[in-house]
Amino acid sequence: DQQVKQNSPSLSVQEGRISILNCDYTNSMFDYFLWYKKYPAEGPTFLISISSIKDKNEDGRFTVFLNKSAKHLSLHIVPSQPGDSAVYFCAASGNTGGFKTIFGAGTRLFVKA
Amino acid sequence: NAGVTQTPKFQVLKTGQSMTLQCAQDMNHEYMSWYRQDPGMGLRLIHYSVGAGITDQGEVPNGYNVSRSTTEDFPLRLLSAAPSQTSVYFCASTTTNTGELFFGEGSRLTVL
Repeated sequence: DQQVKQNSPSLSVQEGRISILNCDYTNSMFDYFLWYKKYPAEGPTFLISISSIKDKNEDGRFTVFLNKSAKHLSLHIVPSQPGDSAVYFCAASGNTGGFKTIFGAGTRLFVKA
Repeated sequence: NAGVTQTPKFQVLKTGQSMTLQCAQDMNHEYMSWYRQDPGMGLRLIHYSVGAGITDQGEVPNGYNVSRSTTEDFPLRLLSAAPSQTSVYFCASTTTNTGELFFGEGSRLTVL
C-alpha cells in the first residue's frame, strides 16, 4: 500500500505559466514533507520542504502548500521555465530527520518553450 | 566536495551472482539509506541506517543485506541476484537537522 501517492504521471505546461504538482499521503504520522527534482542519469536533488506545523512554504519560484486535514500537499512553480522540465518526487518522513523517508512515484513535468 | 559517492555506476550480473554496491559519504552524516528506482514505482526504500552499527529494513528489503561499520560507508549486498533486482539504485545520507537527503548519482544494475 503506497503511503505517498502522486497520481499524475506527467504534466505539460507552457513556459511562463504555473505548474501545480499534487501529492497525497495516508500516514498521519508523517510530519515532514519534501519535494525532490530529478534529471535523467542524475540523483534526485532537494527542492523545498514543509513541516506539518505549517501550511505554506516559499522559496523563490517554488511554493509548497500543505493541507493536513485532507492529507494533501502541492508544489507550485511560478513562472515555469524550460529548465524545470524534470521528474518531481514528493516525499514524507516521520520526524524532522530524513531517515525512512518514503517517496511517491513521481510526476514528469514538461515545460514547453 | 565529493558528497555521496556510489560505485560502480553500471553493472551487469547473471542470475545467482553476488555483488556489493558501494556507498561513501564525506559529510559526517549519521543517517544513510538505499533506494531503488523502477518505472512507475518511484523511489522505494530498501534499508537504512541511523548510525554506525545500526541498520533497519525499509519497504523492500528482501534479497538485500547491509552493514554499517563506519559513519562514512554503507554498502548494499546482493547475495544471489535475480532479474527482479534489475533497477537503478541510489544511496542517500542526511542529518537530523534538515531532513534533506543528499543522493549519489546512482548505480544501474542489470540482472540477466
